Amino acid sequence: QLLMQQSGPGLVKPSETLSLTCTVSGGSIISTTYYWGWIRQSPGKGLEWIGNIYYSGNTYNTPSLKSRVTMSVDTSKNQFSLRLSSVTAADTAVYYCARVYLEVGLGFRRYYYYYMDVWGKGTTVTVSS
Amino acid sequence: QSVLTQPPSVSAAPGQKVTISCSGSSSNIGNNYVSWYQQLPGTAPKLLIYDNHKRPSGIPDRFSGSQSGTSATLGITGLQTGDEADYYCGTWDSSLSAGVFGTGTKVTVL
Repeated sequence: QLLMQQSGPGLVKPSETLSLTCTVSGGSIISTTYYWGWIRQSPGKGLEWIGNIYYSGNTYNTPSLKSRVTMSVDTSKNQFSLRLSSVTAADTAVYYCARVYLEVGLGFRRYYYYYMDVWGKGTTVTVSS
Repeated sequence: QSVLTQPPSVSAAPGQKVTISCSGSSSNIGNNYVSWYQQLPGTAPKLLIYDNHKRPSGIPDRFSGSQSGTSATLGITGLQTGDEADYYCGTWDSSLSAGVFGTGTKVTVL
């Protein structure tokens, strides 16, 4: 059974960098089938997609956060990480990591299979001085 | 700002059926497969439906999904108090090259 254990500080000061890590157990992060993703949820709000990373380092990021987001993979530790720079109170949220299925189908035009089937429990991150 | 629109809330009595709509566009639902997630209070989301209508192992057949054009629908039959949760649709947006979620729908069992 694949498990995803999240770690990182729950309190970050404004203008500093938020850093979270997700450690995968019960399976390898080196997979040709899956990406690894980050999603967040502000208090009382809906889910917000942050980005996905492949074991090779290839990434997709949300346009709204792209300039502040850095994602990385450490295959030796079977973990992947998120860094969000220059945080403000608006970045206060529960951050989730997830295993992501992303496959491209080729027909008349490209189409995508996309879903997140295993989730971490979430890390509450508060941005405050 | 979500690109997929869901009704804020739906409700029904125990044993009844509810449907939740998810409206998008040709760059997301109209061209890519949809998934649905259940988020019970205080917990992480859980995959309910993938590839428009498929259920992961362990998900009861009371939950169903469909897609038509640029919209998708989640159906829940035989409503139970344990189904009270927030439900989100999700898919890939080909124009944004990004994952997108719906605005979320709260299901209340009366």
